[in-house]
Order: sequence, then C-alpha cells, then structure tokens
Amino acid sequence: QKEVEQNSGPLSVPEGAIASLNCTYSDRVSQSFFWYRQYSGKSPELIMSIYSNGDKEDGRFTAQLNKASQYVSLLIRDSQPSDSATYLCAVGEDSSYKLIFGSGTRLLVRP
Amino acid sequence: EAQVTQNPRYLITVTGKKLTVTCSQNMNHEYMSWYRQDPGLGLRQIYYSMNVEVTDKGDVPEGYKVSRKEKRNFPLILESPSPNQTSLYFCASAPSGRGHEQFFGPGTRLTVL
Repeated sequence: QKEVEQNSGPLSVPEGAIASLNCTYSDRVSQSFFWYRQYSGKSPELIMSIYSNGDKEDGRFTAQLNKASQYVSLLIRDSQPSDSATYLCAVGEDSSYKLIFGSGTRLLVRP
Repeated sequence: EAQVTQNPRYLITVTGKKLTVTCSQNMNHEYMSWYRQDPGLGLRQIYYSMNVEVTDKGDVPEGYKVSRKEKRNFPLILESPSPNQTSLYFCASAPSGRGHEQFFGPGTRLTVL
C-alpha cells in the first residue's frame, strides 16, 4: 500500500516567519508530487507541483523534492494569517492520474 | 466561471435509501474523479474516469457506483447507503495530460443514519 505521511500539526508560526511543511512517501518510483491547500470548510486547491529533484519557487512558495530520501517539503516565506489552512501533500500515479494524499498538516499563522 | 459543481451540498438520509450525488464541470476536462474525506484518513479516491464511458475503481469503491455518459457529468450513486458512508465527498476534474492538477468541487457532506 503506497503511503504519504505528514505531521498533522498544528504547526504554529508568527506572521512574517517561514513555515516549513514536510512530507514523506513510500513508493520509490513516484515521479509527480503536489501540494494542495484546503481552507477550513472548503475544497482542496492546487498550489504547487514538482517533478524534479531540487527546488521550485512560485511567489512566496517553494517546493523541495529529494527523491533519494523520498521527501517533499513546502516552504512558505513571509507567512500571512491568510495562509492558515491545512496543506495536503499528494503523490501522483502516472498511469491513472491517481493522487495519493497525506492526511494533511494544519498551519496556523499567528498575527 | 470555470468550476466544478456538486449537488446536493448537504444531505441527511437513512440506511438503504438510494441516492445520487451529481457532479458537473464546465472546463471540458477529460479526467474526473470522486474522493471521500474522513478525519485522520485524508482524501481517498473512490472512482475515476479518464474519459466518456471509461471508469475505473479507486481505493475505496465498495458501496458506490459511477457512470460517465457525458463528458461534463460524473454522478456518484449509493445504491444502499450505510452509516460508514457518512463522509465529505469531493468531485474533481482535470484536463487531458495534466490529470494530477485537479480542480475540486465544493464538496457534499453526507450523513447516513
């Protein structure tokens, strides 16, 4: 059974700090990795995708991938209270477009 | 506005009473999928469809049926709901070639008594 593991949190950071969210996955051959954000009572929305080892930056968000360690992370710089949400790590299966989700990390940004 | 819609948004029903949750997308996406979300278990895929008339089981298909007769619609059918199907359900769609970049509907909260 392929698994994606995340610390459930909550991860509490002060406004303006860097929030670091982490995820590990079990299937060594996985090639596609995603971060979805889910506000309380809302549906998930895609915020980042990463396919190659290293860093990928998009605005205040940076996704990091280390396939050798089977580790994916999301950094949020200059965290804002509006970033308070649950962040879902997902690993993609290429043949079926299936997403295997972690249970999410709740982030709380304190004003 | 590009969106995925689901109806109903909230439903309370009783064991054994057949129900259908509708899902519709207006983005001409080939890929559609149903998930359920339960506390501590995350999002789990129920069924997915790569295109019209092509459906396949996800991780938790027991007790559910789907059909894909039109590209825009992907209804989820519970023939005989049971209390363990009480959950939050999400429909999602994605364009061809980018199936992992899924757009989610607003969710349907189902309670089976």
